[in-house]
Amino acid sequence: EVQLVESGGGLIQPGGSLRLSCAASGFTVSNNYMSWVRQAPGKRLEWVSVIHSDGSTYYADSVKGRFTISRDNSKNTLSLQMNSLSAEDTAVYYCARSSTVTSAPTGAFDYWGRGTLVTVSS
Amino acid sequence: QSALTQPASVSGSPGQSITISCTGTSNDVGGYKYVSWYQQHPGKAPKLIIYDVSDRPSAVSNRFSGSKSGNTASLTISGLQAEDEADYYCSSYTSSNTEVFGGGTKLTVL
Repeated sequence: EVQLVESGGGLIQPGGSLRLSCAASGFTVSNNYMSWVRQAPGKRLEWVSVIHSDGSTYYADSVKGRFTISRDNSKNTLSLQMNSLSAEDTAVYYCARSSTVTSAPTGAFDYWGRGTLVTVSS
Repeated sequence: QSALTQPASVSGSPGQSITISCTGTSNDVGGYKYVSWYQQHPGKAPKLIIYDVSDRPSAVSNRFSGSKSGNTASLTISGLQAEDEADYYCSSYTSSNTEVFGGGTKLTVL
């Protein structure tokens, strides 16, 4: 059974850093396109970043230069290093897998975690 | 990357059909076949209901269908049921190798 479990969220001061993790089971992270998607309280979904199976990475303009997506093949986990955080980064962060039945370079997220809440506040 | 444009809300009675639009540009919706739709109930993670404009995951009801014309994609839900009441989001691959979501549409089943 495919499962994604995020961790690492919490309360952080503006300007601070946080590292999110997503533990995957039932499939191999490195063989799939994996993304982070966030949702501010009461707001829309916002795509954050993707890492492809070949290791290439892409970011939303709103986080480029501040966030870094990576994976640990030995642990079958996905991570998101977040630096220079601001109140605008407050959101539930989901990790998601792109469906394997599509050739889409991202999107078509068929499995999602439950999310981890990041609150940036002083 | 600006969000795709969706109506803020739609409503319908049980048994009826509704359609939600999703408008982008030639750099996203209009340029690729990679449009997805998600259903999200309060406090839950989104659920994929349509991918590649009109394909449906095997476990998703055939009451859900998708289409696209030019820069606008559409989701149609037929035979509305009470459990369809939720937020719906479209998303599209973009020419910048990124993904963009719509603003979301709240569906109310009257």
